Amino acid sequence: DARVTQTPRHKVTEMGQEVTMRCQPILGHNTVFWYRQTMMQGLELLAYFRNRAPLDDSGMPKDRFSAEMPDATLATLKIQPSEPRDSAVYFCASGGPGQGATGYTFGSGTRLTVV
Amino acid sequence: GQNIDQPTEMTATEGAIVQINCTYQTSGFNGLFWYQQHAGEAPTFLSYNVLDGLEEKGRFSSFLSRSKGYSYLLLKELQMKDSASYLCAVDSSASKIIFGSGTRLSIRP
Repeated sequence: DARVTQTPRHKVTEMGQEVTMRCQPILGHNTVFWYRQTMMQGLELLAYFRNRAPLDDSGMPKDRFSAEMPDATLATLKIQPSEPRDSAVYFCASGGPGQGATGYTFGSGTRLTVV
Repeated sequence: GQNIDQPTEMTATEGAIVQINCTYQTSGFNGLFWYQQHAGEAPTFLSYNVLDGLEEKGRFSSFLSRSKGYSYLLLKELQMKDSASYLCAVDSSASKIIFGSGTRLSIRP
């Protein structure tokens, strides 16, 4: 089965440190989403890309978060500097043209803890 | 603004039927997704409705009324493994996918 691969699965870091999360979308998928999930907020959309171009990153705190797609096989989400309130599970999801019929596929997530 | 509402929690009995409602107000609408998420896992796709009406897929069915901004997910013959969160998500303008907060469904024997 094709899958979306996210690394690392878990990350514990100290406040102020830089965190980089990576996502390998399914081959051929041209749309990539980054979401953050907490118990309080549910799934929040941070940013998304189509054909590697950023379409919307209005959900992201711009002063500390950045998202990029250096190539079609890699999406990155970076937090610098990290803060305890950034602790959450970060999900990447990808989909191809006509993805409505089969939905977007989520990676297993990166569980981030900032202490 | 964007607003997607679902009940926070529901409880149902094994073997019974449960309906999870979702109402939405979004800028732009292309379709509506339902996802299932077990605790500690990633969301998995259940259904996508574009047109009004009911779509059935095994024990799960999803309904959409675009004019009312309303959808529901119907689960029949409930099994213990159906205990999970169910997430409603709108495919809004520019295919921006926005999720509701999810409904946590507990199944009792």
